[in-house]
Amino acid sequence: QVQLQESGPGLVKPSQTLSLTCTVSGGSISSGSYYWSWIRQPAGKGLEWIGRIYTSGSTNYNPSLKSRVTISVDTSKNQFSLKLSSVTAADTAVYYCAGDYYDSSGMGAWGQGTLVTVSS
Amino acid sequence: SYELTQPPSVSVSPGQTARITCSGDALPKQYAYWYQQKPGQAPVLVIYKDSERPSGIPERFSGSSSGTTVTLTISGVQAEDEADYYCQSADSSGTSRVFGGGTKLTVL
Repeated sequence: QVQLQESGPGLVKPSQTLSLTCTVSGGSISSGSYYWSWIRQPAGKGLEWIGRIYTSGSTNYNPSLKSRVTISVDTSKNQFSLKLSSVTAADTAVYYCAGDYYDSSGMGAWGQGTLVTVSS
Repeated sequence: SYELTQPPSVSVSPGQTARITCSGDALPKQYAYWYQQKPGQAPVLVIYKDSERPSGIPERFSGSSSGTTVTLTISGVQAEDEADYYCQSADSSGTSRVFGGGTKLTVL
């Protein structure tokens, strides 16, 4: 099973773009075994699915965030990335990357999560 | 937007059976998944495809489906099972994933 690790700034100013990267180890991001996903969780609240990308480059996004989200993949670095534009304090959360099995076996691999705070 | 509904909390004594429900209109057509999350940790998949159990997950965890409701059952609850549990599925189109609001399981 692959391992995932999120990285990126822990503090982002309002109206700016939040950028995070997830590094995949223990397997190739191009294997086709997973949809590569982003999920977030505000403090004390539930999980919110942000979106996912397949190795083909095909993406699906949460309709409520779609206008602000871009997920991309860099196969040469075995990484995938999240960009969320025009952030506000409501975007403050722990952001997780996850591998969602292509064969519908669920999100079986998760990163440890990274806290992103939106504040001036 | 599509929603999955879970009870906010469930309490059970050690050794008893805990049942956590999740309701959604698309559940008859889409698989359900269950995740366990302990404080400060990432979620862990405990049930996939409504009732399948990943390797390494204890047999006391099981899942079932009936119409628009899916249920996570934990038989012989142990203190270590105290956690938040989230159901997850897809909307009717199958392209968008959604999580339920989560259920806090308290072991009395």
